[in-house]
Amino acid sequence: SAVISQKPSRDICQRGTSLTIQCQVDSQVTMMFWYRQQPGQSLTLIATANQGSEATYESGFVIDKFPISRPNLTFSTLTVSNMSPEDSSIYLCSVEEDRVQETQYFGPGTRLLVL
Amino acid sequence: AQSVTQLDSQVPVFEEAPVELRCNYSSSVSVYLFWYVQYPNQGLQLLLKYLSGSTLVKGINGFEAEFNKSQTSFHLRKPSVHISDTAEYFCAVKSSYKLIFGSGTRLLVRP
Repeated sequence: SAVISQKPSRDICQRGTSLTIQCQVDSQVTMMFWYRQQPGQSLTLIATANQGSEATYESGFVIDKFPISRPNLTFSTLTVSNMSPEDSSIYLCSVEEDRVQETQYFGPGTRLLVL
Repeated sequence: AQSVTQLDSQVPVFEEAPVELRCNYSSSVSVYLFWYVQYPNQGLQLLLKYLSGSTLVKGINGFEAEFNKSQTSFHLRKPSVHISDTAEYFCAVKSSYKLIFGSGTRLLVRP
């Protein structure tokens, strides 16, 4: 499967600031996704990162709060804007490889604590 | 809309004992089902998946799961667990392009 890395692995931020999380894949993939895992909770899809076009957001998530970039087929960023303590979560990117359809593989996650 | 139910939030078990983690999903014409494991402070690792074919699916680390269409279940089993299997386990169903996750089951293996 694809090797997925995320930066940073963890961070502690002050409320009102923004953090950009990077996701890098070692092969070209069409489908990339961003998920949020709140403390003690399951995963919820934030958006699908589309190469060459705007991201597609799920209900409850908006572009102003979670802007996403997808400049090429191996890279994406998620920004958490104007953070509040409620944004403290693990943020994970996932990919669906073109050659292993219907299956998503996840990165190691970014652990964010907002004070 | 698709949904996934993991009835057990925590399953304690002794080392070398068998274990079953339960997962039920809402009915659909066709489903793709997955089990992921999350070790402490790590991301999600794919354990196994059912896309089609044989209803008994074997995965990594000695885990297996059985797809039961009539009961809309996809329970995960292992005949003998190790301390290292202590982790959070998530069942997921693929709905269109996205994964819908269950609430997770914490497997706690005791010596």
